[in-house]
Amino acid sequence: EAQVTQNPRYLITVTGKKLTVTCSQNMNHEYMSWYRQDPGLGLRQIYYSMNVEVTDKGDVPEGYKVSRKEKRNFPLILESPSPNQTSLYFCASRETGANYGYTFGSGTRLTVV
Amino acid sequence: GNSVTQMEGPVTLSEEAFLTINCTYTATGYPSLFWYVQYPGEGLQLLLKATKADDKGSNKGFEATYRKETTSFHLEKGSVQVSDSAVYFCALGDSSYKLIFGSGTRLLVRP
Repeated sequence: EAQVTQNPRYLITVTGKKLTVTCSQNMNHEYMSWYRQDPGLGLRQIYYSMNVEVTDKGDVPEGYKVSRKEKRNFPLILESPSPNQTSLYFCASRETGANYGYTFGSGTRLTVV
Repeated sequence: GNSVTQMEGPVTLSEEAFLTINCTYTATGYPSLFWYVQYPGEGLQLLLKATKADDKGSNKGFEATYRKETTSFHLEKGSVQVSDSAVYFCALGDSSYKLIFGSGTRLLVRP
């Protein structure tokens, strides 16, 4: 089954404790992206990657890092999480070309206390 | 810059009522337009899309027409069901592959 898999689904952590949210896709998509969802704000892009070793900032990159060492994986790293990073996070991948076939993961609900 | 504006919710309807969720956009160039749906506790699923002016996207009884003259992409369904209760997001895809989302509209359908 074609899918984007995120882990964990839920995470509660303390301020300053480094964490990684994993994302993996099995569709051989070149483009991957991370979004955060907050009430009243919709989804905002954090980082994206056009291909292996190619990453760039989205609209809200502060406090986040990413890496793209392999085509299928695109982990999101919070080196020193803070309470304002409490949010629902989504990883997505898409096909190239005009069809814009975005596929989203099921989400990771992160709480930073 | 590019942006998407959706009507605020929640929208509460009785089963079999007609649904309209308004979406307007601001964009340079010729973006693609999408509606995504998010059911409780789940990720976003693509509901329908339109890639050029006057295109009509449709799926599961939902429709939306890409209106360049009014910069709109309103979502409609003739007869909603309880199972349609979800959050609906209008989104714009620009030439950089980025998706720009509206703030989402929660739909609640009562039996």
